[in-house]
Amino acid sequence: NAGVMQNPRHLVRRRGQEARLRCSPMKGHSHVYWYRQLPEEGLKFMVYLQKENIIDESGMPKERFSAEFPKEGPSILRIQQVVRGDSAAYFCASSPWTGPYEQYFGPGTRLTVT
Amino acid sequence: QKEVEQDPGPLSVPEGAIVSLNCTYSNSAFQYFMWYRQYSRKGPELLMYTYSSGNKEDGRFTAQVDKSSKYISLFIRDSQPSDSATYLCAMSAGGSARQLTFGSGTQLTVLP
Repeated sequence: NAGVMQNPRHLVRRRGQEARLRCSPMKGHSHVYWYRQLPEEGLKFMVYLQKENIIDESGMPKERFSAEFPKEGPSILRIQQVVRGDSAAYFCASSPWTGPYEQYFGPGTRLTVT
Repeated sequence: QKEVEQDPGPLSVPEGAIVSLNCTYSNSAFQYFMWYRQYSRKGPELLMYTYSSGNKEDGRFTAQVDKSSKYISLFIRDSQPSDSATYLCAMSAGGSARQLTFGSGTQLTVLP
C-alpha cells in the first residue's frame, strides 16, 4: 500500500520562474493538505483540498500561490514568480474522507530558489 | 502567543531512559491530537493519534491528553538511539477545520 507520493523531491528554480509541486495521496484518501516548513521554523498549514474543490486556503499567501486537486491526477501546488523567501520544504499530507482524521505525510519537496 | 507551545529542547537522554515530551495549547476547539516523528530532511511520520482526553498506548509509546488543562504528552519507554529525531505535536478541531496546527518540535537525542 503506497504512501503519499511527492515529486520532485528536490527542485531548483531561479528567481522569477514557476515551481510546480505534485502530490498523490494514499490509496483511498480523498483529502489533501499542503504544509510548508521554512528553515528553522515549524510546519505551517497552507491549503486543504478535496477532489475539484478547495476547502480551506487560509494559510496560503495571497499572491503567487495556487493549488488544485483535479478529478484525475495528483494535487498540484503552483508557485509563480518564485522569490528566495519561497525556499523551503513543502509537504503534502492526505487523510480519508470520514474520520479518523489523522494525516499521513509524504517525503516532501525541497524547493531552492537561486 | 502561539496556539501550540512546545519546548524545542534539545533533549538528550541515555539509552533505556523514559522520555517525556509535552505540548500546551490555547484553542479549546482542538479535539484531535497527534504526535509525529521527523528525521532530518524527511517527512513527518505519524506515531500516535488520540481523540479528546485520555491515554493511548502503542508499544513503547504512550500518548496522554488532558483537555481540561490543554496539555498533551508523549512518553517513550526504553528509549533507543533510533528514537533520535524531532518530535512534533499537532492538533486539529476536525470537521471542516481539519488542518493541523503544529508545535515547533522537540529535538531528542538518545545516547548509546
